[in-house]
Order: sequence, then structure tokens, then C-alpha cells
Amino acid sequence: KAGVTQTPRYLIKTRGQQVTLSCSPISGHRSVSWYQQTPGQGLQFLFEYFSETQRNKGNFPGRFSGRQFSNSRSEMNVSTLELGDSALYLCASSYSGLDGTQYFGPGTRLTVL
Amino acid sequence: GNSVTQMEGPVTLSEEAFLTINCTYTATGYPSLFWYVQYPGEGLQLLLKATKADDKGSNKGFEATYRKETTSFHLEKGSVQVSDSAVYFCALPIIQGAQKLVFGQGTRLTINP
Repeated sequence: KAGVTQTPRYLIKTRGQQVTLSCSPISGHRSVSWYQQTPGQGLQFLFEYFSETQRNKGNFPGRFSGRQFSNSRSEMNVSTLELGDSALYLCASSYSGLDGTQYFGPGTRLTVL
Repeated sequence: GNSVTQMEGPVTLSEEAFLTINCTYTATGYPSLFWYVQYPGEGLQLLLKATKADDKGSNKGFEATYRKETTSFHLEKGSVQVSDSAVYFCALPIIQGAQKLVFGQGTRLTINP
């Protein structure tokens, strides 16, 4: 089975712009979660989607949003970018079993100038 | 919600040395416990997991035992290799059954030949 794929791998934006990141989960996985990784804050949960519905949400401002399509692919959008949004954004998919096992993609490295 | 505390790094060892990375958790119930590994420039890979108390997870020579008495899930390897150099994360679901993981701060491991 192919793993979780994320596009693009690298992105450079300027403050005030918006960005959309894409994630394709492992085939058959219906849950997609997004995490932000920074050197200062570590790994922080953004949100989780299951069957096109947001099921869990982390403590991020409303500038961060996401959605999931009927084929389980997910997108994450950040509007009005700030310098502090520079991070590695990781997508993870799971079959949504009860043990919480998640499989991560390679991430999208976002740099905000 | 559940939380995890991980041994601070960085850790530097010589090849063939014994490795222990400490992880302790606070949890309601008995959620699954995970170790993830992140190689330079990559996303997180699931290294091993344990789904109930006294379970031992193992993979690639690494082992960790789910100990409820000491609320610990320490990662061990008997003989490390240069290729084990990476950042290691201990993780568990925020609440049992949830797809939202909380992570330790990560331990950077460097193995010298």
C-alpha cells in the first residue's frame, strides 16, 4: 500500500498571503489529522477529519481551517500568514480503530517571509 | 486529558552501546502507547506500539514495555547503529480511543561510529 502523501513538500510564502496544503491518506483510511511541528512548541494537533466532518480540533486560531473530501483526501488552509506559521505541517491517517495508531506523511515545510 | 513526559536530550552514544530513552505518562484508563521516530528531513514513522498494560512492543531491535505500575514506556535497544541517529517521540491519545495524539518533546539521538 502506498503511504500518506503530502503536497507540496516545500512552500515559501510572504506575510498576509494564504496557503493550501494537501494530504492523501493511505487507501482505506477514513481519518485524517493535521499537526504543526516547530522547534519551540514541538508537535501540536490542529484538527482531525473523519468522513468529511471535523471530529476534533486543537487550540489554533480560526485562520487555520481544513476540509475532507469524499475520497478521504484532505486539505488544510492557512489565511493571512504570519511569520510564526513557519513550520513543518504533518498529515496523519488512520483507519479510525480504537487504539489511535496514526501513520504520518513526509510533511510540508512552510516558510513565511 | 492524557499527557506524556519524555527524557530530555540530546543523547550521544557510540555504536553498539545500549540505549534507553525514558518516557512516563499520565492517563485515564489504559490507552495505547506509541514510539515514533523522525529521521532528518522526514515525517514521523511509527516505530512500535503497545495497546495494553504489560504488552511489549518491538521493531528493528527496539523494545518498550507498557508498565502501569510505574506509568512508563521506556524505549530500549541493546546495540545501536549509526543509522539509528534520529529524533524519537513518545506519544499517546489525548483520551482513550481518540485520534488526537499528544507527544513528548522528542529526544535527539546521535550515534558516533
